[in-house]
Amino acid sequence: KQEVTQIPAALSVPEGENLVLNCSFTDSAIYNLQWFRQDPGKGLTSLLLIQSSQREQTSGRLNASLDKSSGRSTLYIAASQPGDSATYLCAVEETSGSRLTFGEGTQLTVNP
Amino acid sequence: KAGVTQTPRYLIKTRGQQVTLSCSPISGHRSVSWYQQTPGQGLQFLFEYFSETQRNKGNFPGRFSGRQFSNSRSEMNVSTLELGDSALYLCASSLFGEGSQPQHFGDGTRLSIL
Repeated sequence: KQEVTQIPAALSVPEGENLVLNCSFTDSAIYNLQWFRQDPGKGLTSLLLIQSSQREQTSGRLNASLDKSSGRSTLYIAASQPGDSATYLCAVEETSGSRLTFGEGTQLTVNP
Repeated sequence: KAGVTQTPRYLIKTRGQQVTLSCSPISGHRSVSWYQQTPGQGLQFLFEYFSETQRNKGNFPGRFSGRQFSNSRSEMNVSTLELGDSALYLCASSLFGEGSQPQHFGDGTRLSIL
């Protein structure tokens, strides 16, 4: 059974800092990995999707990497801003398709 | 382009009642998935529908059921509600549900059981 773990559970940083969120998964037979953000009381916003054949994806100040063989992914946020404050979730989609297995999330607070 | 729309946003029910939640996917998307989010269990997959057929099912009791209509809109039904069913129910849509495109989520329906 696939298990996804995110470290740290919570993170508080000053504005402008670069930061890394970590995600690990137990079964490397994945189809893709997605990073989402969730604001309080809201649904999930897709940030980046990395196919199993890819090593990384970039969007603006965000960069996500994937090392399938070791079961790890990182989300790098450059020059953090207070608007980045949210819970960040990583999810893997296994070869069966569509079913996402989520980690517990990292709650990020960026202080002005 | 409109996003995924879930109705209602909030719902209060009592134990033993049943409830139906609705999800309208992004126009053109044919795959709709449902997830339950609770503080204790996090996000858990309920089921996925594609072209009116359930393709994938999570580990939830038979009280949880769903369906998809020909226009891809989906409904989820929970019968004989229990206190533990209190949760945020999220719906996600994607083009074909085959993993090459991201899943897009609605804002959810917050269900509270008294």
